[in-house]
Order: sequence, then C-alpha cells, then structure tokens
Amino acid sequence: AQTVTQSQPEMSVQEAETVTLSCTYDTSESDYYLFWYKQPPSRQMILVIRQEAYKQQNATENRFSVNFQKAAKSFSLKISDSQLGDAAMYFCAYRSAYLRGAQKLVFGQGTRLTINP
Amino acid sequence: EAGVAQSPRYKIIEKRQSVAFWCNPISGHATLYWYQQILGQGPKLLIQFQNNGVVDDSQLPKDRFSAERLKGVDSTLKIQPAKLEDSAVYLCASSLDRPSGEQYFGPGTRLTVT
Repeated sequence: AQTVTQSQPEMSVQEAETVTLSCTYDTSESDYYLFWYKQPPSRQMILVIRQEAYKQQNATENRFSVNFQKAAKSFSLKISDSQLGDAAMYFCAYRSAYLRGAQKLVFGQGTRLTINP
Repeated sequence: EAGVAQSPRYKIIEKRQSVAFWCNPISGHATLYWYQQILGQGPKLLIQFQNNGVVDDSQLPKDRFSAERLKGVDSTLKIQPAKLEDSAVYLCASSLDRPSGEQYFGPGTRLTVT
C-alpha cells in the first residue's frame, strides 16, 4: 500500500519570504500523480499544484512550485513571496495512474503553515 | 460551474444515534468519493462510486456505515449507530472518469458525537 509522510507538523514564515514544505512517499508503482492541497479553516480542500510522475519537469503554478525527486520519492512544495492568504493546512497526496479502482487520494498528515506579517 | 455541495455543514448527535450526510457532485462527474478526516489527520477514503456502482469500500466500517448513490448522481452516507470515534469532518469529492481527473471537494460536514 502507498503511504505519504509529511514530517513537518507546523511551519511559519515571514510575509513575502519563501518557505518549503516537505513530503515523502512510498510506492512500488511507476506511474502516479502527486498533489499539494490547501485546506483553510473553511475546510474546503483546494488543489494547489499537481505533478505527473512520468514528467521530469517540475510543475509550477504562479508562486507555487515543486521539487519532484522520483528516485528519492520526495515531493516538496515551495511557496515564494508568501502572502497572508497562504496560511492554511497543506496536504501532500498520492494517486495511482491506473484507472481501475485505484483513483483514491492517499494523504499525508498535513503541515500547518503560518504567515507572520 | 457549481461546485460539490454538501449538507448539513455541522451536526451534533449523541452516541448510538444515527446520522446521514448528503452530497451533490459537480454535474457530469461520474466518480464520487467520501473521505473521513479526523482532527489533526489527513483525509482517508471511505468509499468510491463509479456512476452508481461501488469501486472501493475497503475502509468503510460496514457494521455501522452505509452509502448509496442514487441514479449515479447524489449520494448519502449514513452512520448507525454512531460512536465517539466517528467525530470527524466528512468530505465529499467528485471527478471525471479518467486517470488525470482532478478531484473537486465539497465544504465538508463536521460531525460531533457526544
């Protein structure tokens, strides 16, 4: 079974600075997707960024980028120019790329990010 | 387009009572998921539907939890009887039927069992 581990329960950063959230995962599959989700106090899970395992290029979405190291099974999220609205719980998640019965997301334990003004 | 709708947003019940949650997915999304998120943890899949058929319910406590998806659209999740450890946020998500289909989440229902 796949597992996802986030070793940082809490992180804080000064507004406008850069922060990196860590995630490692374990799988025997070769094709899969990795995600970072943001969950503010409203509880709504919001997709931040997605990485396809067969793509070597790291995904980027505006101020958000990832460092995907497939051999090391590492998938970190970098937030540049942190803003107050980035404060939330961040979850790393894994999903198999095989269609039949394996579309569930496997989540890590989450990292609570605080932005200091 | 409208997002995933869930109701109620909050529910407080006593142990051994029953409760039901409702989810309406995004129009056209064939796949629907129910996740349980215990405080301080990441969500865990309870059940996945493909249209109105169950694809994965391996982590659903079937002695007390049940779920159905009527006509492949709306879904209800029921707990009967509830236990204290069922206190959690119940998240519904939906996606298109393809490997790259993104999962879109509803706002969740926070259940407190006293």
